[in-house]
Amino acid sequence: GQQLNQSPQSMFIQEGEDVSMNCTSSSIFNTWLWYKQEPGEGPVLLIALYKAGELTSNGRLTAQFGITRKDSFLNISASIPSDVGIYFCAGRHNMIKAAGNKLTFGGGTRVLVKP
Amino acid sequence: NAGVTQTPKFRVLKTGQSMTLLCAQDMNHEYMYWYRQDPGMGLRLIHYSVGEGTTAKGEVPDGYNVSRLKKQNFLLGLESAAPSQTSVYFCASSRTRPPGDQPQHFGDGTRLSIL
Repeated sequence: GQQLNQSPQSMFIQEGEDVSMNCTSSSIFNTWLWYKQEPGEGPVLLIALYKAGELTSNGRLTAQFGITRKDSFLNISASIPSDVGIYFCAGRHNMIKAAGNKLTFGGGTRVLVKP
Repeated sequence: NAGVTQTPKFRVLKTGQSMTLLCAQDMNHEYMYWYRQDPGMGLRLIHYSVGEGTTAKGEVPDGYNVSRLKKQNFLLGLESAAPSQTSVYFCASSRTRPPGDQPQHFGDGTRLSIL
């Protein structure tokens, strides 16, 4: 099956730091999505990217759709304690109805606060 | 706004027991999905549906069945639960396109333990 490699698997943040995470794929995607999941809840969409090279921001979050269509990254600027959670990338190949808008998810990046 | 509602939120089963997880969405979405989430593996698609009365297999369908008798509901069944099915199960829904892609909206999950 399709593989999305997400890194790092976990990271510690200190308030005010900028952090980055990325996803790479062995195949091309037409859409990249970034979700955040907090304990006991389902993933919530942060940013959606629809074109190669696209750079999109949502507050302190910025994500880019790689030119090759095989990667994407997410940056968090000036991190705060509530940024803690698990961040997932997800990619979609095509828009054929029978394919059902299916997503392939990365393994997640767990963001923790430095003790 | 309810969005995507999953019931139950928690359940413990014995090996061999059967049960049904219910997902309900009030957004009039065409597409619905069932995922399982295991530590370090992101979300994996079990089954999905592109409309009322239709279902299709995802990445990990074995041991599960689904039904979409009504547009707003998507049921996930375990006929004979196995310990390997211990996981957190997420339901999601999305609209069809156009215009543009429609991201998936997730419920808060059902935590299922099989003893």
